[in-house]
Amino acid sequence: AQSVAQPEDQVNVAEGNPLTVKCTYSVSGNPYLFWYVQYPNRGLQFLLKYITGDNLVKGSYGFEAEFNKSQTSFHLKKPSALVSDSALYFCAVRANTGFQKLVFGTGTRLLVSP
Amino acid sequence: EAEVAQSPRYKITEKSQAVAFWCDPISGHATLYWYRQILGQGPELLVQFQDESVVDDSQLPKDRFSAERLKGVDSTLKIQPAELGDSAMYLCASSPLAAGYGYTFGSGTRLTVV
Repeated sequence: AQSVAQPEDQVNVAEGNPLTVKCTYSVSGNPYLFWYVQYPNRGLQFLLKYITGDNLVKGSYGFEAEFNKSQTSFHLKKPSALVSDSALYFCAVRANTGFQKLVFGTGTRLLVSP
Repeated sequence: EAEVAQSPRYKITEKSQAVAFWCDPISGHATLYWYRQILGQGPELLVQFQDESVVDDSQLPKDRFSAERLKGVDSTLKIQPAELGDSAMYLCASSPLAAGYGYTFGSGTRLTVV
């Protein structure tokens, strides 16, 4: 069965500084990996995904993520944080076959201070 | 941009009452998912439909929860009777058939059981 770990409950960063939100995963076979963002009382918004190919994936709002197969990680990054990036971020994984479900981590709250 | 529609946005119900949520996925999306997100946690899959068929309901509390997608389009999730512990955000998502696509989530229904 697949699983996701987000080791940090909260990440604090000053506006303009780079940010990293960590994610590690476990899955049988090759993974499909996703990052979603959630604002208060809203659904999840898709940021980016890794399916195959280049290990560095670029997504919405200037976010990117690096797939590292040997470390089974898929960390979310942004070169320069904005206050408006403050939200809850979820990493998710699914196996690349059949009807495997998308499994989410527990989420990391990102707080960007002015 | 196409959206997943959910209603109602908010629902307050007394324990032991029945409650129902509705979801209309993006047109043409064969797969529909209901997730439950307890405050402070990641979403957990309750049920997954492929067209009108259930492909995963292993985490659905079947003694009180039911879900249907009769014509393979919109879906209803029902709870009867509701319990205090059912208070959560109920998220619906849909995706095309191929496993490499991300899910598109609706805005969710925030259920409060009193």
